[in-house]
Amino acid sequence: DAKTTQPPSMDCAEGRAANLPCNHSTISGNEYVYWYRQIHSQGPQYIIHGLKNNETNEMASLIITEDRKSSTLILPHATLRDTAVYYCIVVSGNTPLVFGKGTRLSVIA
Amino acid sequence: GAVVSQHPSRVICKSGTSVKIECRSLDFQATTMFWYRQFPKQSLMLMATSNEGSKATYEQGVEKDKFLINHASLTLSTLTVTSAHPEDSSFYICSADSGASSYEQYFGPGTRLTVT
Repeated sequence: DAKTTQPPSMDCAEGRAANLPCNHSTISGNEYVYWYRQIHSQGPQYIIHGLKNNETNEMASLIITEDRKSSTLILPHATLRDTAVYYCIVVSGNTPLVFGKGTRLSVIA
Repeated sequence: GAVVSQHPSRVICKSGTSVKIECRSLDFQATTMFWYRQFPKQSLMLMATSNEGSKATYEQGVEKDKFLINHASLTLSTLTVTSAHPEDSSFYICSADSGASSYEQYFGPGTRLTVT
């Protein structure tokens, strides 16, 4: 079973920031938080990951709470091409990824 | 970034026939590859873990004699759906472990299998 909880769907206006929350209250000390997204009929795409510090790359920012029980993925300026299902996954070691149901983000023009 | 390819991208076959799907890591070596299946409007479900040079590890409920996995080299894993039936119609996706300390996995584009 997935160790994360995400809202099933969210809408975001094009050009605005999309903030996608994830709860992972049972995360343990050596587990990372990974975010992937899946655009319709494609394979999942890696976005970002973190352990306890906030992270930023060219795609997104990841904010992890101090107690590590939740995190937020931020797409700073959402475009129509960001419409996808976003998965928050807790990872420990080189193990298979366990996908929950994710959040279906719809970016609206 | 690392690239994983799958072939074919889509295939239609008749019930009772077998279909082979290839997963290749194009610019890196992958000791471990994973096979997932995704039904419409559902999330990805892990089918098996494929390790180069050894037998695959199947998830509970996945028939190893029906879904044959071969990982003969560090850049190629194959999934063969034997005696396919309409209920095997699905989106099959592979991923490869980059081997880096970050545990990042790279996914193929998926193969859409339709069994008629």
